Amino acid sequence: QKEVEQNSGPLSVPEGAIASLNCTYSDRVSQSFFWYRQYSGKSPELIMSIYSNGDKEDGRFTAQLNKASQYVSLLIRDSQPSDSATYLCAVNTGFQKLVFGTGTRLLVSP
Amino acid sequence: EAQVTQNPRYLITVTGKKLTVTCSQNMNHEYMSWYRQDPGLGLRQIYYSMNVEVTDKGDVPEGYKVSRKEKRNFPLILESPSPNQTSLYFCASSFRPPTGVNEKLFFGSGTQLSVL
Repeated sequence: QKEVEQNSGPLSVPEGAIASLNCTYSDRVSQSFFWYRQYSGKSPELIMSIYSNGDKEDGRFTAQLNKASQYVSLLIRDSQPSDSATYLCAVNTGFQKLVFGTGTRLLVSP
Repeated sequence: EAQVTQNPRYLITVTGKKLTVTCSQNMNHEYMSWYRQDPGLGLRQIYYSMNVEVTDKGDVPEGYKVSRKEKRNFPLILESPSPNQTSLYFCASSFRPPTGVNEKLFFGSGTQLSVL
């Protein structure tokens, strides 16, 4: 079992819809969770981090964490074509170690 | 401008010819790391450094070397490159380890390496 798993996609949503990106992790002691966005041909950039169970909102983005189910998700409301990118889930699996998932490609059509 | 600078952006080489990919950050970050990104495998850590003269292996260190003689620089060395090291490489830095509260990794623009 991979440490961090994501559906590779692509996830296709129409403009204005909610995009839901999911990530599961295997290490029960993981404490911090991150979502990085990577545009094609570019480097990853952090968009959200979450440490506690529940929801964390930042503008159109909401991160959701359920440690009991070992599940973290990213919701993007009012999706825009400019949101089309690959979204990488990253999880800390031990002291100072961050493990990335393979990413989910999101396509937002006008 | 705060940034992580990687060079070169593209590199084509032949098997066995030693090469160095440079990485420099101007943010006084303590933590620096190298990743490789391959289709279907995602970002995998090669080596990381907690501070000057402190380096440690990541998940895929075989065939790579690093050094951290100065805080701002963290070069990646391939002593004898092989075709399986063809990949997209990213250098990244953060003030502290990127697993902490409010920490984030700043990535360089990437180096696309092809080993023939």
